[in-house]
Amino acid sequence: QKEVEQDPGPLSVPEGAIVSLNCTYSNSAFQYFMWYRQYSRKGPELLMYTYSSGNKEDGRFTAQVDKSSKYISLFIRDSQPSDSATYLCAMSGRSGGSNYKLTFGKGTLLTVNP
Amino acid sequence: KAGVTQTPRYLIKTRGQQVTLSCSPISGHRSVSWYQQTPGQGLQFLFEYFSETQRNKGNFPGRFSGRQFSNSRSEMNVSTLELGDSALYLCASSSASGSSSGNTIYFGEGSWLTVV
Repeated sequence: QKEVEQDPGPLSVPEGAIVSLNCTYSNSAFQYFMWYRQYSRKGPELLMYTYSSGNKEDGRFTAQVDKSSKYISLFIRDSQPSDSATYLCAMSGRSGGSNYKLTFGKGTLLTVNP
Repeated sequence: KAGVTQTPRYLIKTRGQQVTLSCSPISGHRSVSWYQQTPGQGLQFLFEYFSETQRNKGNFPGRFSGRQFSNSRSEMNVSTLELGDSALYLCASSSASGSSSGNTIYFGEGSWLTVV
């Protein structure tokens, strides 16, 4: 079993739709959870960063972490064509330097159609 | 504030050669890590350096090595290149300040390596 599972998609939605992206994980030591957006031939761009369980909102983006279920989500409201990219979930441990070692999901390719 | 800078952006090497990639972290960031990204395996952790010391290492053969200098700049080296080493190599940095926000990790644009 891989440490982090993410549906690779592809996911295609119309402009304005609400997008839901998810990851599950198996390592209970993970404490920090991140979502990155990666455009084609570019480096990953940090979108959301959360510590432990709970919700975090930033503009059109909401990140949710449910540690009891080992499940994290990213919601994108009012999706735009410029949101078309690969979305990567990432997570890390808490201490001992392990918090600087990210384990990634494979990424979900999202296309928002005008 | 400048982001993470990686050089070169693109390079082509022949099997058996070696390659050195360079990374300048965000100013003030002391932790530098390296990742390999391929279509098949996704993003995989190579190693992480802090204050010139390797703190973490991923599951890659010894042909992959790195180092960090006193100014936090880092290099990674791959020796005896194989076709399967063709990938995007990403450098990332973090302030490692000890606060929760100090764990946020920022990536560069990457170095595209093609081995022929």
